[in-house]
Amino acid sequence: DGGITQSPKYLFRKEGQNVTLSCEQNLNHDAMYWYRQDPGQGLRLIYYSQIVNDFQKGDIAEGYSVSREKKESFPLTVTSAQKNPTAFYLCASSISAGGYGYTFGSGTRLTVV
Amino acid sequence: SQQGEEDPQALSIQEGENATMNCSYKTSINNLQWYRQNSGRGLVHLILIRSNEREKHSGRLRVTLDTSKKSSSLLITASRAADTASYFCATDRFQGAQKLVFGQGTRLTINP
Repeated sequence: DGGITQSPKYLFRKEGQNVTLSCEQNLNHDAMYWYRQDPGQGLRLIYYSQIVNDFQKGDIAEGYSVSREKKESFPLTVTSAQKNPTAFYLCASSISAGGYGYTFGSGTRLTVV
Repeated sequence: SQQGEEDPQALSIQEGENATMNCSYKTSINNLQWYRQNSGRGLVHLILIRSNEREKHSGRLRVTLDTSKKSSSLLITASRAADTASYFCATDRFQGAQKLVFGQGTRLTINP
């Protein structure tokens, strides 16, 4: 079955540590997205990629980095520069940028310890 | 930046009743989408309505779009306990980068 896989489901980060969240899709979608969700809030866009080897900053990109070396994969690194990283992170993909619904992964809950 | 604003923030109704949620937005759009999120899970796409459409149906869901008022509504008929979730509207802007901007969501509780 096609879909998006996010791993791990839960992640704990120590202060000053970089961590990488995985997002893999087998839907043959061109566009991929990373959103952050805080408790009781909507989603805020971190980064998005419309095509392989290209990506753009979203509304809250500071302290995050991404890569898009393969169509299937769009990993997100939360760096030590992100001062408040505790949140629920959601990856999504769509057929192409604009005009289509998104397919979401099941999310990664990141907690700073 | 939040484009969509859902109203109400929370809604509690009895099973079998209809649930209506509203969404307002600020800029011109290509389309507006509704998503459902069960607690601690990813979002599920429900329906997409394009800017030249006024109404769309999918099963027990009915979505309307009024571009003159920059607003949309989601109606769930004959609600069930399994409809308990948060519902988000998202807008695909007419100009600028092609990416969805989500509202804060409506928390819907269906009481048995």
